[in-house]
Amino acid sequence: NAGVTQTPKFRILKIGQSMTLQCTQDMNHNYMYWYRQDPGMGLKLIYYSVGAGITDKGEVPNGYNVSRSTTEDFPLRLELAAPSQTSVYFCASSPGSPGELFFGEGSRLTVL
Amino acid sequence: DQQVKQNSPSLSVQEGRISILNCDYTNSMFDYFLWYKKYPAEGPTFLISISSIKDKNEDGRFTVFLNKSAKHLSLHIVPSQPGDSAVYFCAAIRDYKLSFGAGTTVTVRA
Repeated sequence: NAGVTQTPKFRILKIGQSMTLQCTQDMNHNYMYWYRQDPGMGLKLIYYSVGAGITDKGEVPNGYNVSRSTTEDFPLRLELAAPSQTSVYFCASSPGSPGELFFGEGSRLTVL
Repeated sequence: DQQVKQNSPSLSVQEGRISILNCDYTNSMFDYFLWYKKYPAEGPTFLISISSIKDKNEDGRFTVFLNKSAKHLSLHIVPSQPGDSAVYFCAAIRDYKLSFGAGTTVTVRA
């Protein structure tokens, strides 16, 4: 009964470091998404994927990269971390039913 | 450019009464509108949706109303229960991409 699994749940990075947030889903969903949520704000779309091998930018892609080599996995890469990337990151997947996304529990990232 | 807006950051309601959450949008091309519920330290969970061609959808205690001419939707929760205390996000979808509002924190008082 795993659903969408994100790791790590918490991470502190120094400015300029790089890291990858992992996301795995076991529901065989084609659509996957990465969102970030800043305090008092809604979720902002970073990148999304409509299937293995296909990715596209969302509203706030700068400073991030993604890949989708399998249906299950959708890692988010942060290169040269900056304080502006301090946020809670959510991965989500969808079977395609309009808008019904299944979210992971989130990864809280702090860049100091 | 925020396309989905929730102008009330918080709402306090007594248990058993109606909770009404409001949402405005600017893009007339949205296909579906949705409400998500979020508890602390958890991801959002889908609550209810409505197609842009309908004006009402009901699911148990939850009803969503859509007024396309006003670009406005609302969520009614009747009766409100303590477990409804959470952050509620309004969202709208076009081309498989969801745009979210900033959320409304609902507190249900005993």
